[in-house]
Amino acid sequence: DTGVSQDPRHKITKRGQNVTFRCDPISEHNRLYWYRQTLGQGPEFLTYFQNEAQLEKSRLLSDRFSAERPKGSFSTLEIQRTEQGDSAMYLCASSSGTGPEAFFGQGTRLTVV
Amino acid sequence: TQLLEQSPQFLSIQEGENLTVYCNSSSVFSSLQWYRQEPGEGPVLLVTVVTGGEVKKLKRLTFQFGDARKDSSLHITAAQPGDTGLYLCAGDQDQAGTALIFGKGTTLSVSS
Repeated sequence: DTGVSQDPRHKITKRGQNVTFRCDPISEHNRLYWYRQTLGQGPEFLTYFQNEAQLEKSRLLSDRFSAERPKGSFSTLEIQRTEQGDSAMYLCASSSGTGPEAFFGQGTRLTVV
Repeated sequence: TQLLEQSPQFLSIQEGENLTVYCNSSSVFSSLQWYRQEPGEGPVLLVTVVTGGEVKKLKRLTFQFGDARKDSSLHITAAQPGDTGLYLCAGDQDQAGTALIFGKGTTLSVSS
């Protein structure tokens, strides 16, 4: 399977705990995006990497959120001191940069209890 | 303020009916993408439209990009239960790699 891969698919955590999600983009895609999607909404942009450089961050990305893409391949999204409002589907997408299309992974469903 | 407005928000039809969903904006987009998403899964890309007035067909699905590149429509002919899902439009404003802007989506339910 050469698509975008996300891990884990589901995560249940207690409020106040830290969580980390991983995204493996399509091979050779230099652009990687993180989105968040809540029920009844379309995906909302969080942050964007070109290779290892984080080029854009949404104001939705509070100080408790941090993302990395250390070698320009896989990326991690960490949420510290989780809150119930963080419960959502976290989606990763990658793009080759030769066109506007972005290809999404299956997402990580986070539930904060 | 939602940059991309999709309508209707919900649509429930019988198998065999035709339908059209709309994606509208006051902003110009370099391109628009349509995605289909099933519950618990990520969005799957259906099509990209780039040129104003462009029409693309994907089997029973017809996509159109408005002449002014501010709106798009998706028409499904003879809908089938397998068409059920959330249809999302997403716009790209500058093709510089910045993120796609999504509408809230149209939830389509096709019953047999």
